[in-house]
Amino acid sequence: EPEVTQTPSHQVTQMGQEVILRCVPISNHLYFYWYRQILGQKVEFLVSFYNNEISEKSEIFDDQFSVERPDGSNFTLKIRSTKLEDSAMYFCASTLGYNEQFFGPGTRLTVL
Amino acid sequence: AQTVTQSQPEMSVQEAETVTLSCTYDTSESNYYLFWYKQPPSRQMILVIRQEAYKQQNATENRFSVNFQKAAKSFSLKISDSQLGDTAMYFCAFMAPRSSNTGKLIFGQGTTLQVKP
Repeated sequence: EPEVTQTPSHQVTQMGQEVILRCVPISNHLYFYWYRQILGQKVEFLVSFYNNEISEKSEIFDDQFSVERPDGSNFTLKIRSTKLEDSAMYFCASTLGYNEQFFGPGTRLTVL
Repeated sequence: AQTVTQSQPEMSVQEAETVTLSCTYDTSESNYYLFWYKQPPSRQMILVIRQEAYKQQNATENRFSVNFQKAAKSFSLKISDSQLGDTAMYFCAFMAPRSSNTGKLIFGQGTTLQVKP
C-alpha cells in the first residue's frame, strides 16, 4: 500500500541553524501539506502546495519557512534560522483531492 | 473562521466497553468534511473515519461509528468493543473545500483515550 515517508525521523539542531525536513508524498497525489504539532498540543496547518506553488499558508508560516518540490517526488520544508519555539513534530500529508489526507510518520525537530 | 472543539481532554474505558468522544465545530459553510484521526504513542496520524456533510447517513467503519448532527454542529465518535490498541489521542478535524480551496484540515485539541484491561 502506498504511503507518505518522511526523513529524518528525529532532527536535533542548534538555534539559528537551518534545517530541511524531507517528505516523499504518494506518487499520484496532487496536493501536499505540512502540519506542525507542538508536544501535547493540537495539530496546526502550516502550508499547502499545489501545482508547484504555495496555495495557502498560515500565520505560523513566516519568512523563515519555505517549501519546495525540487524533483517531482520530494517535498521539503526548510526553516532558515531555527528558534527554540520551532521544536515540534512536523507532519507531511498528501491527497489526490478533497478527501482523505495521508500523513507521514512525522519528523521530530528539537532545537537546542 | 472555522473552529473545532473537543471538550474532553482525557477519557478512559474498560476493554470491551463502548466509549463516545465528543466534537463540536463552528462554520458557516454548508458543504464540508469531518474526520476523526487517531494518534497512537508512535505519533503517526491515522484516519479512523470520514463524514461528508451532505450525507445524512452516519459513517461506520467496523467498531467505529459517528453521530453527525449537522444542525447542532456536532460530530461524536463511538468506539464499540474497545480494545487495548485503541489507546491513543483522537483528533476531530474539519475541512471546507469552498472557503479553503486547498483543503487544509483544522484540528481540535484532541482527546486522550486510555483503554484499561
